[in-house]
Amino acid sequence: EDQVTQSPEALRLQEGESSSLNCSYTVSGLRGLFWYRQDPGKGPEFLFTLYSAGEEKEKERLKATLTKKESFLHITAPKPEDSATYLCAVQGSKTSYDKVIFGPGTSLSVIP
Amino acid sequence: SAVISQKPSRDICQRGTSLTIQCQVDSQVTMMFWYRQQPGQSLTLIATANQGSEATYESGFVIDKFPISRPNLTFSTLTVSNMSPEDSSIYLCSVEVGGIQYFGAGTRLSVL
Repeated sequence: EDQVTQSPEALRLQEGESSSLNCSYTVSGLRGLFWYRQDPGKGPEFLFTLYSAGEEKEKERLKATLTKKESFLHITAPKPEDSATYLCAVQGSKTSYDKVIFGPGTSLSVIP
Repeated sequence: SAVISQKPSRDICQRGTSLTIQCQVDSQVTMMFWYRQQPGQSLTLIATANQGSEATYESGFVIDKFPISRPNLTFSTLTVSNMSPEDSSIYLCSVEVGGIQYFGAGTRLSVL
């Protein structure tokens, strides 16, 4: 069964203190791994898609990496506006439609 | 990408009543997805809706409780029927464009 776990559940950082969020997954034939950002009261906002081990994507202070079993979202010198819940999701190849499985998320707080 | 509008953005309903949530997309899409996000939790897929066919429901969700309509390629509705307090959640509409799922802002439902 496809599964996604994320750690830590919550993370508090000082402004400028870099860190990483982890996403571990089990999926039958990975079609894509997705990172989303969700602010309170809003729907998830797409950040990155990764398709194969070794792939990396960057956007501003965020960098996503992928191995065969996990993905990391690295946050470099975070700012308070980076505070949000970060969701990881995977799409496997064994379903006949485009089902995406979401992890529980990591709640990030960046303190000024 | 896609721009998704959901109505209503929030509602407070009485036990035993039904609420219909509308989802409008700014472009034609093949599949639309409905998710539930319970307080403090991640997203759970309710069903996938293709235009012109019956929706496909995930385990634990049934058509009598969550009937879905998909009259055309830009619109869908989800009805939450015979509501109980356990149905209090955020309900999110999503579409896939170019292999990426995009989300509406969600409907925050409270059942008294």
